[in-house]
Amino acid sequence: AQKITQTQPGMFVQEKEAVTLDCTYDTSDQSYGLFWYKQPSSGEMIFLIYQGSYDEQNATEGRYSLNFQKARKSANLVISASQLGDSAMYFCAGRAGSYQLTFGKGTKLSVIP
Amino acid sequence: SQTIHQWPATLVQPVGSPLSLECTVEGTSNPNLYWYRQAAGRGLQLLFYSVGIGQISSEVPQNLSASRPQDRQFILSSKKLLLSDSGFYLCAWSPRRGFGGELFFGEGSRLTVL
Repeated sequence: AQKITQTQPGMFVQEKEAVTLDCTYDTSDQSYGLFWYKQPSSGEMIFLIYQGSYDEQNATEGRYSLNFQKARKSANLVISASQLGDSAMYFCAGRAGSYQLTFGKGTKLSVIP
Repeated sequence: SQTIHQWPATLVQPVGSPLSLECTVEGTSNPNLYWYRQAAGRGLQLLFYSVGIGQISSEVPQNLSASRPQDRQFILSSKKLLLSDSGFYLCAWSPRRGFGGELFFGEGSRLTVL
């Protein structure tokens, strides 16, 4: 099982700036996966990016990148060149040793024009 | 391509009434299926997951139940709703490829119990 912690209830970022959303995890498993999801006000959960525990390079998907620091057990999401449409809730999630995906409590990102 | 649909999108029910939320996946076979609940302003809580027809695992004790009558159909039910059952319910599926299988979510069903 995994425990996912997101310590930032809310974040503000200026449009076109970069922002980092924090996520730490706790697991005793050697093999695990880490995920980030975006939830706009409409409620749908949108998959953004995935990082496997054995991946040597940080995952990137367009403007999203995952800053994976295994020794610190952190998997922070970096959004570059923020856009107004990035305003949403962001959830970090992890899977280890089972089919379950465990979610953090989320960070509400607000992009300021 | 794969799609997932759940319905109804919005539901207002009195306490003590029954509930049935349905979820259907298309374009894939033998998926893992999940029901999550999200209370207002909070993260997602896994309620049930299924790795095959008739195979249901429950994560939290509650007055809800789930069934998987067909490979790509997942149903969330209750015989008598409680006020605490209000929330946003999300169905999801994942392919079976170990830890790298991300979840794909439906549009969600917002349940208000009065």
